[in-house]
Amino acid sequence: DIQMTQSPSSLSASVGDRVTITCRASQSISNYLNWYQQKPGKAPKLLIYAASSLQSGVPSRFSGSGSGTDFTLTISSLQPEDVATYYCQQSFSMFLTFGGGTKVEIK
Amino acid sequence: QITLKESGPTLVKPRETLTLTCTFSGFSLSSSGVGVGWIRQPPGKALEWLVIIYWNDDKWYSPSLKSRLTVTKDTSKNQVVLTMTNMDPVDTATYFCAHLYRYQLINLFDPWGQGTLVTVSS
Repeated sequence: DIQMTQSPSSLSASVGDRVTITCRASQSISNYLNWYQQKPGKAPKLLIYAASSLQSGVPSRFSGSGSGTDFTLTISSLQPEDVATYYCQQSFSMFLTFGGGTKVEIK
Repeated sequence: QITLKESGPTLVKPRETLTLTCTFSGFSLSSSGVGVGWIRQPPGKALEWLVIIYWNDDKWYSPSLKSRLTVTKDTSKNQVVLTMTNMDPVDTATYFCAHLYRYQLINLFDPWGQGTLVTVSS
């Protein structure tokens, strides 16, 4: 299995802050990396695919970068509606795996 | 517009078999490159991928649960059925199904069903 490790597991930031979440793969996965947002009590929603491509309808304050083993999800200016848990997911292997999640809260 | 909805029991007993149905609309599971995945999430915990079934009936199971899972599709009914045998309280989770498609060989889930909470208890 390819293990996906996210950090931090949780963070608290102020509205307008720049927020960065990291996802590390246990082996190189090229750009086979997706990011999902899960708001409390809701199903996950696709934010970023192929490491850096923004899904249609997702605000441009979200961006993704990285390749190989290290990836980053950035929220350029945190908004109250961004309170959620964020998950990375690799699809380099046919056996898909998710990261442990990063919970984002407003300070 | 693609929608998916999970249905099945909310409570199962230990050692019983769970059967969940994902009923979808807005796409065909006979279209090349398309699939349906199942993912679960124990209360307060992370997402765990379970299985994918593809348009060509290829199936990929999580290695850790492969012996307990079976997935089938009924293209005419737009349904995918997941069975999980020998249920245990640790299997208590919200079970999601999701539409899967490929972008340059990258598998991604979009959109997801609302999920159904299954509790395992005697």
